[in-house]
Amino acid sequence: ETGVTQSPTHLIKTRGQQVTLRCSSQSGHNTVSWYQQALGQGPQFIFQYYREEENGRGNFPPRFSGLQFPNYSSELNVNALELDDSALYLCASSSRAGRSTDTQYFGPGTRLTVL
Amino acid sequence: AQSVTQLGSHVSVSEGALVLLRCNYSSSVPPYLFWYVQYPNQGLQLLLKYTTGATLVKGINGFEAEFKKSETSFHLTKPSAHMSDAAEYFCAVSGGSGGGADGLTFGKGTHLIIQP
Repeated sequence: ETGVTQSPTHLIKTRGQQVTLRCSSQSGHNTVSWYQQALGQGPQFIFQYYREEENGRGNFPPRFSGLQFPNYSSELNVNALELDDSALYLCASSSRAGRSTDTQYFGPGTRLTVL
Repeated sequence: AQSVTQLGSHVSVSEGALVLLRCNYSSSVPPYLFWYVQYPNQGLQLLLKYTTGATLVKGINGFEAEFKKSETSFHLTKPSAHMSDAAEYFCAVSGGSGGGADGLTFGKGTHLIIQP
């Protein structure tokens, strides 16, 4: 069974640029959630995708957007990068959307640095 | 709105001693509660979760947690600490809206230090 994978592992961008982060969900999982983890903080929920549609969103501005593909992989796009966007971005997959009891399995994350 | 409070950003115990990591939550609906562990430069790994039923939940690596509704707590314990337990531990809650997606709400984490 293949776990959740994310690419790239590290990324450096400058303020104002755009970035795309990628995630492959665990085999058999159809739901992907994205989280932002700032240094020294717990992860914060950005949004969730289920069957290629956004299925819920946390308190993040519209410049954070995403996609989910038919194979359930996902992308997180961030436009107009700000210094505060520097963080570890975590992707998590689960088997059924909207069920809060389902375990979310996390990938290793992408470390984004905005200069 | 849900929230999670983890008391103590750093906890230090001796190898072989009891580990106790504290977590209190607030939720307007019956919560589902999780403990995750994060090792340096890695993602989060589920230790255990409480959904319904037995309030004492056993997880991996000898950890367990007890859901106490009256105290709104879900503290994590391990009888005997091992050096390999040194990591960051996160308590999380879900189940707010009851329908549609709701992500996990995490606490700020507790860094567990094991003294030899």
